[in-house]
Amino acid sequence: EIVLTQSPATLSLSPGERATLSCRASQSVSSYLAWYQQKPGQAPRLLIYDASNRATGIPARFSGSGSGTDFTLTISSLEPEDFAVYYCQQRSIRTFGQGTKVEIK
Amino acid sequence: QVQLVQSGAEVKKPGASVKVSCKASGYTFTSYGISWVRQAPGQGLEWMGWISAYNGNTNYAQKLQGRVTMTTDTSTSTAYMELRSLRSDDTAVYYCARDHVPYDSSGYFANWGQGTLVTVSS
Repeated sequence: EIVLTQSPATLSLSPGERATLSCRASQSVSSYLAWYQQKPGQAPRLLIYDASNRATGIPARFSGSGSGTDFTLTISSLEPEDFAVYYCQQRSIRTFGQGTKVEIK
Repeated sequence: QVQLVQSGAEVKKPGASVKVSCKASGYTFTSYGISWVRQAPGQGLEWMGWISAYNGNTNYAQKLQGRVTMTTDTSTSTAYMELRSLRSDDTAVYYCARDHVPYDSSGYFANWGQGTLVTVSS
């Protein structure tokens, strides 16, 4: 079973700062990885699929990179609405990482 | 626009069953699979399984095999998830989610329902 490990668990940043979130797979998932954003009381929202493709309507400040076992979600300049929990998910057996909370510093 | 509307909150006793519905609109229902994902209070996301709305094929998470059944009703564009022998650790918000790509048996979740809280308590 492929395990996804996200780091850090919590990221404390200020609006306007750059956020860098990591997702590491226990074995190669090629480029088959997605990122989701979840705000309190809401369903998750697809941000990035196939490691680097932005989903429909997702702002350009969100970008994804990586392949194989190491992946990164970057938010270039945090907006107030970006403070949330972010999950990575691999495509084949659809498991999720444990999440990274981006909180206001 | 794509919408997935789920049934309301449920309270069940341990050992009982629950059936949650997910009514789809805004797209051709039979072209996309539906997954079910749950989230225990304060916890992360857990994929439960997937059903093809095209032919009814299913793929369940191993830990739920034997307790979960997913079905669809193409006449009403509705997907269902039934979970049996409920335990306290099944207390969670249950989401349905539509596949990102049509006719894809593995993949990502492009659209989500609003979630259904299922509480298991004696």
